[in-house]
Amino acid sequence: TQLLEQSPQFLSIQEGENLTVYCNSSSVFSSLQWYRQEPGEGPVLLVTVVTGGEVKKLKRLTFQFGDARKDSSLHITAAQPGDTGLYLCAGVSSGGSNYKLTFGKGTLLTVNP
Amino acid sequence: GAGVSQSPSNKVTEKGKDVELRCDPISGHTALYWYRQSLGQGLEFLIYFQGNSAPDKSGLPSDRFSAERTGGSVSTLTIQRTQQEDSAVYLCASSLMIMRGTHEQYFGPGTRLTVT
Repeated sequence: TQLLEQSPQFLSIQEGENLTVYCNSSSVFSSLQWYRQEPGEGPVLLVTVVTGGEVKKLKRLTFQFGDARKDSSLHITAAQPGDTGLYLCAGVSSGGSNYKLTFGKGTLLTVNP
Repeated sequence: GAGVSQSPSNKVTEKGKDVELRCDPISGHTALYWYRQSLGQGLEFLIYFQGNSAPDKSGLPSDRFSAERTGGSVSTLTIQRTQQEDSAVYLCASSLMIMRGTHEQYFGPGTRLTVT
């Protein structure tokens, strides 16, 4: 069973601060996705990374896939209250079925105005 | 366009009763997935459909759980003789079928099931 460990589990910061969320595994993933989930809603896909060392930017969000494709990070610059939510990473195991996602338990981010 | 819809949004049932949860995927999406999200546990894969067939049922936790999909569209997840540990949010997702790469899954809002 491939496990994805996310840290921190909870994060509460003030508007304007920067933060980084981590997603780590001992297994190799062929691709990794980041989702954001708000209360009462399903997760919404933010980004997919597929190449080791890949960096993708989405406005104030920067996503990085580790060189060995075992870990990933999400960095948010100048966080805003609208960034509040549960951030989930999910991976497709290398050599596994390309539909099967393994999810981390998530990081619950609260950005206070 | 319309996203993935699920019904009911909330369901409270007594222990031992059967429940049916419904998922309407995005039109044209051939792949459909069910997940369970419990407090502090993340999303747990239950079952994957490609068209009307389910090539992967490996995540169903017991034989009390079953799912079907008809007409390559609507899916129902049935839980028989519900137990308190079945309480969770049940999420459905759909995606286009692609041969390579990762399926990008679109999630519904979920059904919150509470077993009393």
